[in-house]
Amino acid sequence: DGGITQSPKYLFRKEGQNVTLSCEQNLNHDAMYWYRQDPGQGLRLIYYSQIVNDFQKGDIAEGYSVSREKKESFPLTVTSAQKNPTAFYLCASSIDWRAFYGYTFGSGTRLTVV
Amino acid sequence: DAKTTQPNSMESNEEEPVHLPCNHSTISGTDYIHWYRQLPSQGPEYVIHGLTSNVNNRMASLAIAEDRKSSTLILHRATLRDAAVYYCILSGETSGSRLTFGEGTQLTVNP
Repeated sequence: DGGITQSPKYLFRKEGQNVTLSCEQNLNHDAMYWYRQDPGQGLRLIYYSQIVNDFQKGDIAEGYSVSREKKESFPLTVTSAQKNPTAFYLCASSIDWRAFYGYTFGSGTRLTVV
Repeated sequence: DAKTTQPNSMESNEEEPVHLPCNHSTISGTDYIHWYRQLPSQGPEYVIHGLTSNVNNRMASLAIAEDRKSSTLILHRATLRDAAVYYCILSGETSGSRLTFGEGTQLTVNP
């Protein structure tokens, strides 16, 4: 079945360390997205990519970096510059940037800084 | 960015219909209206979407106002499994990649 795979499901990081969250899709979607969700809050856009080898900052990009070298992969690196990285991270994709047919979400990665 | 407004919470009884409202007064002519729902610690799940006409699928119905400035998600017979946060969002050429998720509506279903 086609879908989005996020790994790992749970991730623990020591303060000052960078960590990379994986997002892979086999839907042949052009656009991919990363969101952050804090308890009781909605989703906030970190980065998005409309097409391979291109990506744009979202609303809360500081302290994060991404790459889009392959259509199916959009990894997110949480750097030590991110002051409060503990959160639930969600990856999504859509056929194209207009997303007329909606979005497919992964099951999320819960990152905890210890 | 086109924004949506939803009530923070709603409550329903099991087996009764639920009408979840959403206002989107700045919607453009090419924006689609999407509804997703999210259970705790899971990714949002697609529920339904539409452009102008009312839509039905096995999960729900979507009623879109004639001026498209509001819509209503209808769950015909709520079950305990329908308890979730419901998000109404817009996508299209103006909303596109920067789609905005508000805090959604927390639906509680009472047995």
